[in-house]
Amino acid sequence: NAGVTQTPKFRVLKTGQSMTLLCAQDMNHEYMYWYRQDPGMGLRLIHYSVGEGTTAKGEVPDGYNVSRLKKQNFLLGLESAAPSQTSVYFCASNLDIQDRVGTDTQYFGPGTRLTVL
Amino acid sequence: GIQVEQSPPDLILQEGANSTLRCNFSDSVNNLQWFHQNPWGQLINLFYIPSGTKQNGRLSATTVATERYSLLYISSSQTTDSGVYFCAVSQGGSEKLVFGKGTKLTVNP
Repeated sequence: NAGVTQTPKFRVLKTGQSMTLLCAQDMNHEYMYWYRQDPGMGLRLIHYSVGEGTTAKGEVPDGYNVSRLKKQNFLLGLESAAPSQTSVYFCASNLDIQDRVGTDTQYFGPGTRLTVL
Repeated sequence: GIQVEQSPPDLILQEGANSTLRCNFSDSVNNLQWFHQNPWGQLINLFYIPSGTKQNGRLSATTVATERYSLLYISSSQTTDSGVYFCAVSQGGSEKLVFGKGTKLTVNP
């Protein structure tokens, strides 16, 4: 299993440009997440999905959109990039809700470092 | 919302030393996880531990839910233990995880 993969690993954008970050997992996980990590801070949740075709807002959703057309993929879009979106973006997934499985371990991708000039 | 505080923010050890990292949270939780972020940025889940004690090799964790804290113990530290340790909690499922700011651990040879 490749686990959770992210594409691309690095990207530089100019203000106003758009891009899509791709997250893929091969573990048949139901839940997928997009986080951002800024210097000196923990991770903050942008959007998440509890299953194919569903998405929901997290703590910092403004300026981002997401889609989960296939169970294994979760896309994060920036329609008009701003310097404040310079960050490291992490995708994560987990199998199921804790009540049914008894554990709720999240698995993370390697991250995408995005710089917006 | 729930607040998560980790201490100490920075910790420097010599190889072989033991350490304790603390995570305090402001309200009752039903989900608590510890993560390690290595110097290359990769995040690895160490423990899912909403209550009780677990051990995995040189690492162990204890959560006292009634007193709203969790401890991560690292024994006989190695240079590969360096990185940032995050505590994350939720009052629901993983979709509501709130991360602390982390403890940066440096283990010197």
